[in-house]
Amino acid sequence: AQRVTQPEKLLSVFKGAPVELKCNYSYSGSPELFWYVQYSRQRLQLLLRHISRESIKGFTADLNKGETSFHLKKPFAQEEDSAMYYCALSDSGGYQKVTFGIGTKLQVIP
Amino acid sequence: NAGVTQTPKFQVLKTGQSMTLQCAQDMNHNSMYWYRQDPGMGLRLIYYSASEGTTDKGEVPNGYNVSRLNKREFSLRLESAAPSQTSVYFCASEGSYNEQFFGPGTRLTVL
Repeated sequence: AQRVTQPEKLLSVFKGAPVELKCNYSYSGSPELFWYVQYSRQRLQLLLRHISRESIKGFTADLNKGETSFHLKKPFAQEEDSAMYYCALSDSGGYQKVTFGIGTKLQVIP
Repeated sequence: NAGVTQTPKFQVLKTGQSMTLQCAQDMNHNSMYWYRQDPGMGLRLIYYSASEGTTDKGEVPNGYNVSRLNKREFSLRLESAAPSQTSVYFCASEGSYNEQFFGPGTRLTVL
């Protein structure tokens, strides 16, 4: 069974400090991994996916198959980064069922 | 292009009442999903539909039914609402790169 673990429910950092949101996964096949962001009282939206290897809003994430991790990083946190962040894994071996982690609330302190 | 739309945005029910949550997407996506979002539990899949005419249970299907009316619409029905179904419900459709596009959510309270 596939599983996504986000060990921190809340992460508080000061503005300008580096941010790392942790995500570990359990999956037997070749995973597709995503980060979604949800700003206060808004819908979830895709932040980035590992396949595209892009940087969105200064955030990056690298898939580490050896450590089964997909941590989200940003070198300098901004106040507007305060939001809920969800890591998600898509089953690429057939039907594309998605499993979400429980989410990490990022709070950037001014 | 409205993306994924949901109605209603808010709803208050009494225990035992029924209601249907509506969802529609205009992106011509095949797969659609219903999730519930609860504090400390993240997003949990209720039901999904891989294509028009097919539906399957997700992680927490008890107390819910779904209908994939056509390619655009995927509705979620609560036949007899219970307080445990108080939650925020999100509908989503899946794009070409397996990314999910979410609706704005329905905030449901069952008294």
